[in-house]
Amino acid sequence: QVQLQESGPGLVKPSQTLSLTCTVSGGSISSGGYYWSWIRQHPGKGLEWIGYIYYSGSTYYNPSLKSRVTISVDTSKNQFSLKLSSVTAADTAVYYCASGAAAGPDYWGQGTLVTVSS
Amino acid sequence: NFMLTQPHSVSESPGKTVTISCTRSSGSIASNYVQWYQQRPGSSPTTVIYEDNQRPSGVPDRFSGSIDSSSNSASLTISGLKTEDEADYYCQSYDSSNHWVFGGGTKLTVL
Repeated sequence: QVQLQESGPGLVKPSQTLSLTCTVSGGSISSGGYYWSWIRQHPGKGLEWIGYIYYSGSTYYNPSLKSRVTISVDTSKNQFSLKLSSVTAADTAVYYCASGAAAGPDYWGQGTLVTVSS
Repeated sequence: NFMLTQPHSVSESPGKTVTISCTRSSGSIASNYVQWYQQRPGSSPTTVIYEDNQRPSGVPDRFSGSIDSSSNSASLTISGLKTEDEADYYCQSYDSSNHWVFGGGTKLTVL
């Protein structure tokens, strides 16, 4: 069973770039059929899809975030990453990485809280 | 794009059956698979239903999913409610551009 673990700074200053990494174990990120995704949850709110990347490198982003989001894969480290630029307090959330099929995620990481504050 | 609308909250007694709806605002609910996720307080979501009505291994058969084209909605039904089922439940689907869409979530209280 695939396991995922998010890592990265828990505090980011406004206007800077949020960078998170998801380390995958129990499976190869370069194996076909899996979509590697990022999802966030604002405090006390619902889930918001950020985007995902296919092992081939094809990316799909939430249109509302597309101008600020980059998702990439590092197959040598079995990791994938999220970069969200020009952050504001509205980007404060728990960020989850997840893997699954094109229809939706199957496995989720435990999540990491990122606070945007000066 | 479309929205998925869920009731904000539902409650039911242990041993009873509860159904949570997920209504698609435009386009056919049958066009794209619907998934359901359970999120207990302080935990990350887990999949309880995928592809409309499929249960991952380890999910009890008390959980079932269905779609109803007449109401353009999907439903998650939990029978034989247990206190451990108390959680937030989210439906999710995708559009023609393969963009994922989540419902707003339903808080299930088992009292």
